[in-house]
Amino acid sequence: DTAVSQTPKYLVTQMGNDKSIKCEQNLGHDTMYWYKQDSKKFLKIMFSYNNKELIINETVPNRFSPKSPDKAHLNLHINSLELGDSAVYFCASSQDPGRGNTEAFFGQGTRLTVV
Amino acid sequence: AQTVTQSQPEMSVQEAETVTLSCTYDTSESDYYLFWYKQPPSRQMILVIRQEAYKQQNATENRFSVNFQKAAKSFSLKISDSQLGDAAMYFCAYRKWSAGKSTFGDGTTLTVKP
Repeated sequence: DTAVSQTPKYLVTQMGNDKSIKCEQNLGHDTMYWYKQDSKKFLKIMFSYNNKELIINETVPNRFSPKSPDKAHLNLHINSLELGDSAVYFCASSQDPGRGNTEAFFGQGTRLTVV
Repeated sequence: AQTVTQSQPEMSVQEAETVTLSCTYDTSESDYYLFWYKQPPSRQMILVIRQEAYKQQNATENRFSVNFQKAAKSFSLKISDSQLGDAAMYFCAYRKWSAGKSTFGDGTTLTVKP
């Protein structure tokens, strides 16, 4: 039983293309996130949704647009891909505080390579 | 803004020995969570251990334990009886009590020598 699953695991695409990464969690968590891990392995928050509402939007280019159709899903759409977008993108989810464990559970990551 | 600092980019340990990974953080909050995550070459992020700031007792999970010094804002991870499977990148993370994102340190790459 996969707790947080994201697809695809690998994505190779050309500059200028538009691509999407999908994420689903079956943990019943209220909050979902997108993190970016760059080539130096630094892990930075991009977005956070709580019950389908955007609550965190770090300084991310407008080309990145998250969409949450329901609280179990958080997709990431990227327009006009650039070389610098190459990274591993992690989806994660967590429970609200006061309701037990609050660590983030991560998906297996999507390695995006822009050529 | 909260920051998390891992001052050791790389560490190595002999198999069966003990190693300690350092983490310091900066916050003005009194209630928060601290985590250590492990990222092996498979790139999956795996929770190793969790500490609630209001708990004075240090968290322990089998061979993994922490030394949580709230006043010093220090949260180190001790791995006892190191195994080859412990080789990975380890991230220290902070999360506010009132929900929201986790802030991660830059990671420490741990090598385990046979």
